[in-house]
Amino acid sequence: AQSVAQPEDQVNVAEGNPLTVKCTYSVSGNPYLFWYVQYPNRGLQFLLKYITGDNLVKGSYGFEAEFNKSQTSFHLKKPSALVSDSALYFCAVRDIESYGQNFVFGPGTRLSVLP
Amino acid sequence: DAGITQSPRHKVTETGTPVTLRCHQTENHRYMYWYRQDPGHGLRLIHYSYGVKDTDKGEVSDGYSVSRSKTEDFLLTLESATSSQTSVYFCAIGSTGELFFGEGSRLTVL
Repeated sequence: AQSVAQPEDQVNVAEGNPLTVKCTYSVSGNPYLFWYVQYPNRGLQFLLKYITGDNLVKGSYGFEAEFNKSQTSFHLKKPSALVSDSALYFCAVRDIESYGQNFVFGPGTRLSVLP
Repeated sequence: DAGITQSPRHKVTETGTPVTLRCHQTENHRYMYWYRQDPGHGLRLIHYSYGVKDTDKGEVSDGYSVSRSKTEDFLLTLESATSSQTSVYFCAIGSTGELFFGEGSRLTVL
């Protein structure tokens, strides 16, 4: 069975500092990995995904994520945080051979960027 | 943005009443999904559809039913709402790649 862990409920970072939001996963086959962001009273917005290839994936709004197969991790990073990055972030995984119904989401990490 | 519209966006109802949430897409996508979002649980799949009249259960399907009579519409019905079904409900589309989500429907069952 697939699973996703986001070990931190809340991450606080000062504006201008680098940020990391952690994600580890478990999947039987090869993973598709995703990050989504949710702003208050909005739906989830797709940020980036890893399928194959370069372990460092670049996405929207200056975010990037690093796939580490040996550590089964897919941490979200940004070199310099903005106050507007404050939101709820979700990591998700599915097996590369499956379809959308097999998406599994983590519980979410709330990022607060302090001015 | 993906053309996904959910209605109603907010609803307050009483225990025991039926409720139907509607998801409408303009992307002509074959796969559609209903999720619920609750604090600490992320998103959990309720039901999904892989075509007109083709639906299947997800992780938390008890107390919910769905129907898809047209490609563009996917309805979620709570036959007799309970307080445990107070949640935010999201519709999504997608299959082999990423999912795209609607803006959500906030349901409160008193």
